[in-house]
Amino acid sequence: AQSVTQPDIHITVSEGASLELRCNYSYGATPYLFWYVQSPGQGLQLLLKYFSGDTLVQGIKGFEAEFKRSQSSFNLRKPSVHWSDAAEYFCAVAREYAGNMLTFGGGTRLMVKP
Amino acid sequence: GAVVSQHPSRVICKSGTSVKIECRSLDFQATTMFWYRQFPKKSLMLMATSNEGSKATYEQGVEKDKFLINHASLTLSTLTVTSAHPEDSSFYICSAPKGVGTEAFFGQGTRLTVV
Repeated sequence: AQSVTQPDIHITVSEGASLELRCNYSYGATPYLFWYVQSPGQGLQLLLKYFSGDTLVQGIKGFEAEFKRSQSSFNLRKPSVHWSDAAEYFCAVAREYAGNMLTFGGGTRLMVKP
Repeated sequence: GAVVSQHPSRVICKSGTSVKIECRSLDFQATTMFWYRQFPKKSLMLMATSNEGSKATYEQGVEKDKFLINHASLTLSTLTVTSAHPEDSSFYICSAPKGVGTEAFFGQGTRLTVV
């Protein structure tokens, strides 16, 4: 069965600093990978996705992620964090097809210091 | 992107009553929709796959008699929490893929509180 691990439950960074959120997955086939952001009490917003092709994926709000098959990782990065980026971030892998039946990681809560 | 709407966004109900949550795809048809549950400060867990015109497929450990799913049309799936108890309090969120091989779009979620 597939699984997704986000090793960091909480991360605090200063505004303007760079950010990397880690995600490791376990999946037998070619994975469809996603990063979502959730603000308190809100639904999920898709930041970016990887289906195939270029392993460096650009997303919204200045985020990017790199798929590394050899490491089974899909880490999310942002060069300069803004206070508005404070939220919960979820990495997910689709069981079949793209975007269907997602298995989510445990989430990483990002706090941004002024 | 496609729009998926969930209603209500928040609901408070008494123990023993039933609550219905609607998930609508506003600008596309969805033969399949997915229902997730998120416990406080936890991740999202897939509860079931809603299939238009047929029975829903439930994940292991999810009580199908407790969480009734009906996919009555190509744009609407409903989740009914029957005989709700405080432990059913949670954030429920649905998603719908626009087509085979495409990403699923999420609704805004429903915060259920059972008192």
